[in-house]
Order: sequence, then structure tokens, then C-alpha cells
Amino acid sequence: DMKVTQMPRYLIKRMGENVLLECGQDMSHETMYWYRQDPGLGLQLIYISYDVDSNSEGDIPKGYRVSRKKREHFSLILDSAKTNQTSVYFCASSSPGANTGQLYFGEGSKLTVL
Amino acid sequence: EQQVQQSPASLVLQEGENAELQCSFSIFTNQVQWFYQRPGGRLVSLLYNPSGTKQSGRLTSTTVIKERRSSLHISSSQITDSGTYLCAMNRGSALGRLHFGAGTQLIVIP
Repeated sequence: DMKVTQMPRYLIKRMGENVLLECGQDMSHETMYWYRQDPGLGLQLIYISYDVDSNSEGDIPKGYRVSRKKREHFSLILDSAKTNQTSVYFCASSSPGANTGQLYFGEGSKLTVL
Repeated sequence: EQQVQQSPASLVLQEGENAELQCSFSIFTNQVQWFYQRPGGRLVSLLYNPSGTKQSGRLTSTTVIKERRSSLHISSSQITDSGTYLCAMNRGSALGRLHFGAGTQLIVIP
């Protein structure tokens, strides 16, 4: 079953605390992504990972970092969270051979920073 | 500047009516995708349509690259079609570097 799983689904943190969002996929996809979704803005790309330890900044990387130590697992880390990082975060994966452009998304992680 | 513009922002239809969703881009692209998102849920890829017309069931997408636009036609809408439809385009060669529109919220009523 092709699946992208995100944990946790809901998280409340105080400003200045650290946040770890985790994502796993069972399709052996090389490429994984982190997006955030805010009302009226659509999804914005934070980071792309092309494989283990091969990460690239997206459009809004400031305030975030990522870790990819295993192909099936991609983490998003917020060191000292800020209130403007309150958002819904989506992880996705894709295979480079998929010329139909198929991206598989997780259910999202809703982060609230107080 | 929002690189992907979608219209309308929201749309209410009666079950059985057709819907036409529009997407325009501020720059040229060679990859256009349409996604569906149910409230509070994950995005699901509907159609990948870099150019021309593509159909999948009741969905038909038409992309005119030189005019920097794409449309999604939903025929015979059903209540379960309710949700948000997002258009995305790829600005670079790397698949997945997608730029999304804000979406069209579709509500289908009985």
C-alpha cells in the first residue's frame, strides 16, 4: 500500500520550543518534500530531499532545517519555534521515474505555536 | 507576487451541474498538475497535464502553455466532489518544485 505517514498530526508548542515533525514513506521514493499550507497562500515549498543526506532549500527555508538519514524517513525541525510558523505542514514523496509527475502527500501535521 | 492564480475562489453547485475551474501562471511552465484536497486532508493528484487535453473519468483538464493557463472541467458534479482543487506548476526541471495556487473551494449541494 503506497503511503506517506506524518507524525504527529497535531502539535501545540510555545514560542521558543523546538519542534520535530516526522515523515515516512513505504514506496522507496528517492525524493521527498516538506510544504506548509496557509490560508490564501496555497502550499509553499520548504525543503526538498533528493536522497539520503542530499537536501536542498525550497522557497521558504528560513527558520527550518531537515534531516534525511534513511531513504524512507524525512524530518522537519524547527529550532526555537515562532508564532508565524503556525501552519499545516505536508510531507510528500515522488519517484524520479514517474513521468506522470505523481506526488504522494501525507495527511498533514497541524502545528500551533503559542 | 503569486505566481499561480486560481479562479473562482469558491464555487457552489447543485449536484449534476458542471464546474469549470481556471488557473493562470505568471511565468511559463512545462508541468501543470491538478490536486484535490478534502477539508483537513491530504492532497491527492488528479491530473498531470503539461499541455493539451487530458481526461480522467469526469475530469477534463486543458492546458494552453503559450497562454499560461490551465482549466479543470468537472462534469456531472457529485456531493463527494466537494473540497478544494489546487493547481500547481513546476518552474524548474526538478519534479516536485511545485508552485501552488490558493485553490478553488467547491461545494456541491443536493
